[in-house]
Amino acid sequence: DAKTTQPNSMESNEEEPVHLPCNHSTISGTDYIHWYRQLPSQGPEYVIHGLTSNVNNRMASLAIAEDRKSSTLILHRATLRDAAVYYCILRDVEPSNTGKLIFGQGTTLQVKP
Amino acid sequence: DTEVTQTPKHLVMGMTNKKSLKCEQHMGHRAMYWYKQKAKKPPELMFVYSYEKLSINESVPSRFSPECPNSSLLNLHLHALQPEDSALYLCASSQVIQGNYEQYFGPGTRLTVT
Repeated sequence: DAKTTQPNSMESNEEEPVHLPCNHSTISGTDYIHWYRQLPSQGPEYVIHGLTSNVNNRMASLAIAEDRKSSTLILHRATLRDAAVYYCILRDVEPSNTGKLIFGQGTTLQVKP
Repeated sequence: DTEVTQTPKHLVMGMTNKKSLKCEQHMGHRAMYWYKQKAKKPPELMFVYSYEKLSINESVPSRFSPECPNSSLLNLHLHALQPEDSALYLCASSQVIQGNYEQYFGPGTRLTVT
């Protein structure tokens, strides 16, 4: 499975945008880029996913580099509730896809008031 | 209802005990998962069930025994655990295992083995 690399930690101020980077230089053509986050004392929750084009939903935006070797999760206005560990995960959607989510170390986001 | 529930929230057990963790979802999902998460580490996949059949066992020791009695329920039976098995055990479900369906996670059961 292709690997992802994320910074261990990042800090942001409340109500400012946050850009969380992820490198995935060995990504294959059938790998989708997924983001999950885990708030303190909770299970992970899905944030967003994409293949090639930038994606937006109510939680965040995902910007994918043209060569797909990196991506950035964008939180447009960070709130204290966004403090969490953010995981960038590659999912292969070939028919043999087993549904595995392989979590890397993730980025711990601290949001300061 | 997009909730995955897990019981109990906390469990303390001795190394000779037998206990079970329970996970339930009512979203009509046909894929269910068990993950193990040690403190300050990412979740690690243990088992995957697809249409109530075991699809993946990630070389988990036999002292962990999963069971999927119906499409809404997933159990993890525990027997003769070791202190290093103390962790947060997370259950998740998704519509099916293929494709990009998001996985919905429960809050986990925090297990302490004494």
